[in-house]
Amino acid sequence: GAVVSQHPSRVICKSGTSVKIECRSLDFQATTMFWYRQFPKKSLMLMATSNEGSKATYEQGVEKDKFLINHASLTLSTLTVTSAHPEDSSFYICSASQWRTSNNSPLHFGNGTRLTVT
Amino acid sequence: AQKITQTQPGMFVQEKEAVTLDCTYDTSDPSYGLFWYKQPSSGEMIFLIYQGSYDQQNATEGRYSLNFQKARKSANLVISASQLGDSAMYFCAMREGNTDKLIFGTGTRLQVFP
Repeated sequence: GAVVSQHPSRVICKSGTSVKIECRSLDFQATTMFWYRQFPKKSLMLMATSNEGSKATYEQGVEKDKFLINHASLTLSTLTVTSAHPEDSSFYICSASQWRTSNNSPLHFGNGTRLTVT
Repeated sequence: AQKITQTQPGMFVQEKEAVTLDCTYDTSDPSYGLFWYKQPSSGEMIFLIYQGSYDQQNATEGRYSLNFQKARKSANLVISASQLGDSAMYFCAMREGNTDKLIFGTGTRLQVFP
């Protein structure tokens, strides 16, 4: 089955530093990748949609200069949290979509990255 | 307006019993898909079941079934013969039209007790 690998699974960084999170589709080409953020005991909030070779589309209220997304290849998307602050601490999870042959193709999710900014 | 509504923040069920997790949705697009995901405490999102807007029959996957009532815009998840390992957060999600974007509900925390 389709596997999405997300790295790192857990990261602690100091306030003001930047953190990069990688999302890779291991056995399929992902035309589109999605980045979600999840606060404790809350739902997944879509942050942005990234398409290979083009600029990411950010959801309303998400700062694109704060959360830099790069989808450089069909198997890799990265999310960089720039100048991180404690309020950026959260669970970030990516998902990937391969070219859909049917509408019931589920999104494949990575295992998430728990970011703690001290 | 909320596109996906899960009104049960938490549910308890005894092992081996069945439980229904509620989900209602709102869309004007005639073509959409409804998904249920399970999220254990470790955080990964596990796909459980899918229902398409044009599907005539309710979806079933092992112990999971989806009670799809299109006119009422509800897509409740039924878990039969609950197991202790079913304890987790459960999210209902919707995909509209040709987009791959999933919109999630607020989730229901299910706890199965012996």
